[in-house]
Amino acid sequence: AQKITQTQPGMFVQEKEAVTLDCTYDTSDQSYGLFWYKQPSSGEMIFLIYQGSYDEQNATEGRYSLNFQKARKSANLVISASQLGDSAMYFCAMTRQLFNQGGKLIFGQGTELSVKP
Amino acid sequence: NAGVTQTPKFQVLKTGQSMTLQCAQDMNHEYMSWYRQDPGMGLRLIHYSVGAGITDQGEVPNGYNVSRSTTEDFPLRLLSAAPSQTSVYFCASTVGQGWTGELFFGEGSRLTVL
Repeated sequence: AQKITQTQPGMFVQEKEAVTLDCTYDTSDQSYGLFWYKQPSSGEMIFLIYQGSYDEQNATEGRYSLNFQKARKSANLVISASQLGDSAMYFCAMTRQLFNQGGKLIFGQGTELSVKP
Repeated sequence: NAGVTQTPKFQVLKTGQSMTLQCAQDMNHEYMSWYRQDPGMGLRLIHYSVGAGITDQGEVPNGYNVSRSTTEDFPLRLLSAAPSQTSVYFCASTVGQGWTGELFFGEGSRLTVL
């Protein structure tokens, strides 16, 4: 069975510094997709970034990048130049196969990030 | 753009009562799904649908029913509410076959069962 593990329940980072949120995954599939979502205190789920298992380059979206290490089965999120608005819960998720079959995602437990001024 | 709309946003039920959480999307998305979020456990898939008339169970389907009579709507029914169903529920949609992009989530519905 697939599983996502986020080992950092909470993290602090100074404003303008970079931060890495850890995510490891377990799957026997060769094809899969990896996602990161942000959940601010208001509760909505915001998509940040996607990485396919066959993508050789790390995905980037603005200040977000996904450090994909396939052999180690890790998909860490790197946020550069942290801002106060980055304070939120962050979820790593994965889907079987490259394509989002049926909108089915497996989520990790989340990491709560607090950005200090 | 409305996106994914969930109603109600808050609901309090007594054990044994039934209710329906409504979900509608106006993006013509093929796939829709329901998740529940409990503290410390992330989101877990309840039911999902790959198109009108087609539904299937997710990780935690017990106690919930769904149907998909139209592309736009995907209601979640609790037939006999239990305190263990106290949670925040999210409806989500995505484009469909061959799409690697994100799920679009509703704002969530907070349900308390007494």
